[in-house]
Amino acid sequence: DADVTQTPRNRITKTGKRIMLECSQTKGHDRMYWYRQDPGLGLRLIYYSFDVKDINKGEISDGYSVSRQAQAKFSLSLESAIPNQTALYFCATSDWSLGGTDTQYFGPGTRLTVL
Amino acid sequence: SQQGEEDPQALSIQEGENATMNCSYKTSINNLQWYRQNSGRGLVHLILIRSNEREKHSGRLRVTLDTSKKSSSLLITASRAADTASYFCATVTTARQLTFGSGTQLTVLP
Repeated sequence: DADVTQTPRNRITKTGKRIMLECSQTKGHDRMYWYRQDPGLGLRLIYYSFDVKDINKGEISDGYSVSRQAQAKFSLSLESAIPNQTALYFCATSDWSLGGTDTQYFGPGTRLTVL
Repeated sequence: SQQGEEDPQALSIQEGENATMNCSYKTSINNLQWYRQNSGRGLVHLILIRSNEREKHSGRLRVTLDTSKKSSSLLITASRAADTASYFCATVTTARQLTFGSGTQLTVLP
C-alpha cells in the first residue's frame, strides 16, 4: 500500500551494528505496528503504538526498540544486530476510530540480513 | 500463542478449482479478517466479517463465520494462477486487539 512506506527496502549489515528501519504513513491513522516475519512463518508483533506518547511491547520486543517521532512516523531500531534477527520486517497502521474495524494496512517490508 | 490457526498449512490445486482455507480461534471476537500476502510483499486486506454475520461475499471470495465453533472459512472460487499466495486470518477481539494466524500457502497450478 503506497500510503505506508518503509525505508530501506533491503539492508545487509554485520553483527553488532546498530540499524534503524523507518516507517511513514499518510493514512492519518493513530495506531502503528512493527512485525517480524521469518521464512514460512506468520507475523510476530514486535512493538505497537497507539499514539505518539503510547508505545507498547509486543510478543518479541527483546533486542529491539522503537521511536514514534510523529503521528506519521514510527522507527524500529536494532541496537546491536545479531544473525537471528535476519528476517522480513513490516510496518502497519490501523484506524482506531470509534466503530472502526481495526483493519491493518501494511508497508512493502524491509528485508534485513545480519551477517 | 496464536489466536488464529489456519488449516491446511499448504494447499495445491489446479486452476479453475475452488480453494478452501479454514481458521480456528480461541477467544470472543469483534470481527475476523482475511489477508493475502504475495511472496515477500506486505499483507493486503481481503475481506472482513463481523461477529454478528455468518457469511460474506466479495467477488470470487466467500467467507463464513461460525462463532459457536470459533471457526471461519475462506473460499476462493474458480482459482487462477495469480491467486497463488499466502492467506492469513486475523481476529480482532472485543478489546480490539488484532492477532494474525500462521497462514495457508496456496499454490494454483496452471
